[in-house]
Amino acid sequence: AQKVTQAQTEISVVEKEDVTLDCVYETRDTTYYLFWYKQPPSGELVFLIRRNSFDEQNEISGRYSWNFQKSTSSFNFTITASQVVDSAVYFCALSEGFGLVFGAGTILRVKS
Amino acid sequence: DTGVSQDPRHKITKRGQNVTFRCDPISEHNRLYWYRQTLGQGPEFLTYFQNEAQLEKSRLLSDRFSAERPKGSFSTLEIQRTEQGDSAMYLCASNGQTSADTQYFGPGTRLTVL
Repeated sequence: AQKVTQAQTEISVVEKEDVTLDCVYETRDTTYYLFWYKQPPSGELVFLIRRNSFDEQNEISGRYSWNFQKSTSSFNFTITASQVVDSAVYFCALSEGFGLVFGAGTILRVKS
Repeated sequence: DTGVSQDPRHKITKRGQNVTFRCDPISEHNRLYWYRQTLGQGPEFLTYFQNEAQLEKSRLLSDRFSAERPKGSFSTLEIQRTEQGDSAMYLCASNGQTSADTQYFGPGTRLTVL
């Protein structure tokens, strides 16, 4: 069965520090999709990125970057120069048939 | 273009009562999903519709849970005879072309069972 592990329960950083959120997944599928979502205090899940299993190219979007390594089944997320507004819970998710399997999430606290 | 909407945003009920939640997906999306999220956990998949057909419902938590999407547009999730353990956030999501497409989530309905 599919599984997503986010080993970091909570991370605290000071503004402008870089921070990496880890995600490790398990699947027997050869074709699958990985996602990152952000859940700010307001509660609504906000989509950040979707990657398919055939595309291992790293991606950068502004201060956000993602490192997908199939060999280690990891899909890590780095925020460069963190800001207070980045404080939220971040979820990594894996496609499973129709639904998504989510990790338990990492709470990121960015202090000014 | 409006996003996924859910109603109500909050619901407080007494144990044993029935509750119903509504989800309106993004208008051009034909796939709709329900999830449950408990405190400190990630969302947990419950059920899925493609148009009006419910294609996956084995993950519904018990036979007290049911969902419908009668006309392939909005959907309802009903919990009968609520229990305190049903207290959670109930999330709805939708997507379009394929089930692997990005799912866009609504704001959720927070249920509190007293």
